[in-house]
Amino acid sequence: EAGVAQSPRYKIIEKRQSVAFWCNPISGHATLYWYQQILGQGPKLLIQFQNNGVVDDSQLPKDRFSAERLKGVDSTLKIQPAKLEDSAVYLCASSPGSLGHLHTEAFFGQGTRLTVV
Amino acid sequence: SQQGEEDPQALSIQEGENATMNCSYKTSINNLQWYRQNSGRGLVHLILIRSNEREKHSGRLRVTLDTSKKSSSLLITASRAADTASYFCASKNAGNMLTFGGGTRLMVKP
Repeated sequence: EAGVAQSPRYKIIEKRQSVAFWCNPISGHATLYWYQQILGQGPKLLIQFQNNGVVDDSQLPKDRFSAERLKGVDSTLKIQPAKLEDSAVYLCASSPGSLGHLHTEAFFGQGTRLTVV
Repeated sequence: SQQGEEDPQALSIQEGENATMNCSYKTSINNLQWYRQNSGRGLVHLILIRSNEREKHSGRLRVTLDTSKKSSSLLITASRAADTASYFCASKNAGNMLTFGGGTRLMVKP
């Protein structure tokens, strides 16, 4: 089966510009996660979707970050305007997510490496 | 902030030795998972242990879970140079939220 697809793989932007990342999860996976991973740290959960609804976005800086998952499939994460401290790898992951599938792992994409200069 | 903390932050061993990594978490969980990340790559799932399990094995991996102490450990036996990577624990709660620790960077010297 196809894995989690993310694009672009790399992006360099200037501060105050905007950027968008795209994620296509594994077909049929209800749960989708976006993580921010700063170099040398563990992934930090930004937002979790269950189908097209938001389950948790408590760590999403909502003044500049937004995310959507229209139709409960693909998702986009946007940053506007970007700051230097947003430089990180943005990881998307999906898992089956239904009540009968709590004990399943998450499948990760390769991530988008963002550099803000 | 992240749910879990991992210890040690970095570990360097010789090939053939065992590597032990520890993880602590803060709230109640449904399961505890371990992932591996090679430099510049995505995360790969290694093993999952449910909250009602105490120990689990998979090949050279052994994971333990102590819910009374909110801690877990990952043991890699007979390490190989190819095991060099970062290892992360992740706790999953009843709402399917998956929260990662800071990771242990393992280097296995040939």
